[in-house]
Amino acid sequence: GAGVSQSPSNKVTEKGKDVELRCDPISGHTALYWYRQSLGQGLEFLIYFQGNSAPDKSGLPSDRFSAERTGGSVSTLTIQRTQQEDSAVYLCASSLGWGANYGYTFGSGTRLTVV
Amino acid sequence: DQQVKQNSPSLSVQEGRISILNCDYTNSMFDYFLWYKKYPAEGPTFLISISSIKDKNEDGRFTVFLNKSAKHLSLHIVPSQPGDSAVYFCAANSRDDKIIFGKGTRLHILP
Repeated sequence: GAGVSQSPSNKVTEKGKDVELRCDPISGHTALYWYRQSLGQGLEFLIYFQGNSAPDKSGLPSDRFSAERTGGSVSTLTIQRTQQEDSAVYLCASSLGWGANYGYTFGSGTRLTVV
Repeated sequence: DQQVKQNSPSLSVQEGRISILNCDYTNSMFDYFLWYKKYPAEGPTFLISISSIKDKNEDGRFTVFLNKSAKHLSLHIVPSQPGDSAVYFCAANSRDDKIIFGKGTRLHILP
């Protein structure tokens, strides 16, 4: 596709359930980033991928969060045993290379609500 | 510990006037700065950037100014238009190539 695609666009889940968020980057973009935006907060870095490897996982809030990327393309962010504080918009971005001068293209995000 | 700070959560400007959005940063190792614009229910889109070796970059109605000694940058929009109403995020590139974002400033352009 022409842009970064994220699915689902909205997800409501019960506390304690697992959720999986998907990101389809722009074809050929080797770098992929996950951010989240909680209410009233800025964009919080979670993790990024160079190809299929994630050199920096320091932004993941807890061990309930994990992410993978396969085939240098699709990435999934998994949140286990969701908590109410996980409610946020989860944004994925991709770029041709890693570094700000390549420019990020963001998807529209997945709005996660934990009830 | 916020490395990129946007201290004004919102700003209202009359259409046709100049909008000035401010941003402060704490890390002197940042080497590249960006502004992103975000409409509701959409992802942020890149607006303009500036390298740390420059003090000004202009693109049409948008100009970004960088004052390294003050660790301050600003985005000027002139003249402001209704379509400029959005949330603007200031961001900085860290040496490990992560982009660190501020909390954003909501700009309202008044008719």
